[in-house]
Amino acid sequence: GQNIDQPTEMTATEGAIVQINCTYQTSGFNGLFWYQQHAGEAPTFLSYNVLDGLEEKGRFSSFLSRSKGYSYLLLKELQMKDSASYLCAVRWDTDKLIFGTGTRLQVFP
Amino acid sequence: DVKVTQSSRYLVKRTGEKVFLECVQDMDHENMFWYRQDPGLGLRLIYFSYDVKMKEKGDIPEGYSVSREKKERFSLILESASTNQTSMYLCASRTTGGFSGNTIYFGEGSWLTVV
Repeated sequence: GQNIDQPTEMTATEGAIVQINCTYQTSGFNGLFWYQQHAGEAPTFLSYNVLDGLEEKGRFSSFLSRSKGYSYLLLKELQMKDSASYLCAVRWDTDKLIFGTGTRLQVFP
Repeated sequence: DVKVTQSSRYLVKRTGEKVFLECVQDMDHENMFWYRQDPGLGLRLIYFSYDVKMKEKGDIPEGYSVSREKKERFSLILESASTNQTSMYLCASRTTGGFSGNTIYFGEGSWLTVV
């Protein structure tokens, strides 16, 4: 099976930059997603990486290295509303989508 | 906009009851998923359906079954609910065509409590 690792919790201050890492097993890899989930709500799509490199989308960027089984989500100019859980998910094998346990980010003023 | 609708937001059921969780998507997506989400464990895949009448077990299928008789509807069935099935259940769907097929869309979630 797929084993996805990401930190459980992170904290940062408003206006700062934070990087959330995710590692996964490379066998059967078909793509990697990042989702944001606020407490009590469904996850919402942030980014998708299938090729190596950095994808930038406004304040959020996502990076992938397929050979290393590594991705990160970079959040710039942090705002209070960015306090949420960030889920790394790997598209694996026969189109299954497996999620990590999520990283809970708290942004302080 | 893609819409994934879960019929019940909050349910309370008794141990041993049969429970149906319904999910409907309106975008003709081939793939549909059922996950459960528990604190500290993240989202875990229960069942996955490639297309109508096709299904595959996820990581935690025990105690669950699914039905996909029509493309737009994917049902999760708890044959005999137990207290350890108290959780938040998320349905999701995705098309397999083109780049847009890379995005999975979630429903609002169903909070099930088994007493």
